[in-house]
Amino acid sequence: AQRVTQPEKLLSVFKGAPVELKCNYSYSGSPELFWYVQYSRQRLQLLLRHISRESIKGFTADLNKGETSFHLKKPFAQEEDSAMYYCALKAGGYQKVTFGTGTKLQVIP
Amino acid sequence: GAGVSQSPSNKVTEKGKDVELRCDPISGHTALYWYRQSLGQGLEFLIYFQGNSAPDKSGLPSDRFSAERTGGSVSTLTIQRTQQEDSAVYLCASSSRRGSGYNEQFFGPGTRLTVL
Repeated sequence: AQRVTQPEKLLSVFKGAPVELKCNYSYSGSPELFWYVQYSRQRLQLLLRHISRESIKGFTADLNKGETSFHLKKPFAQEEDSAMYYCALKAGGYQKVTFGTGTKLQVIP
Repeated sequence: GAGVSQSPSNKVTEKGKDVELRCDPISGHTALYWYRQSLGQGLEFLIYFQGNSAPDKSGLPSDRFSAERTGGSVSTLTIQRTQQEDSAVYLCASSSRRGSGYNEQFFGPGTRLTVL
């Protein structure tokens, strides 16, 4: 069975400080990993996926198969980054997506 | 075009009543997903459709929950004999085909269900 763990329910950082939102997964095959974000009163939306190896809004995430992690990082937090962040896993060739419980990021001005 | 829409946006019902939640996916999206978002529980997968068929119903919590999709478009999630623990936000998402897989999921605004 696949599982996604986000150990922090709430992460508070000061504006300009680095951010790291942790995500660990368990899956025996080759997964696709995603980060979704939900800003206040907005819909859940895709932030980035590991296969694209892209940086969105200054966020990056590297898939570490050895540590089974997909942590989300940003060097300098901004107030507009305050939101709920969900890590998600999709098993290869299979459409079910498993989400973590989410981490609320609070950027303090 | 329009994004994923869901109705109603809010539903308050009494314990024991049946409810129907509707999802209109983005036109042309063949995959449709239902999730439940409870406080402190994250997003819980319920069911997904590929066209009109549901290859995976493993997430449905009990036989009180059912879903259908007709014409490869609109989907309805039905909860019979609602219980207080069914109170949550029910999210729908859709995605389009990409090669042998699917693109990102686009989410609707959700239906907030409150069972009194």
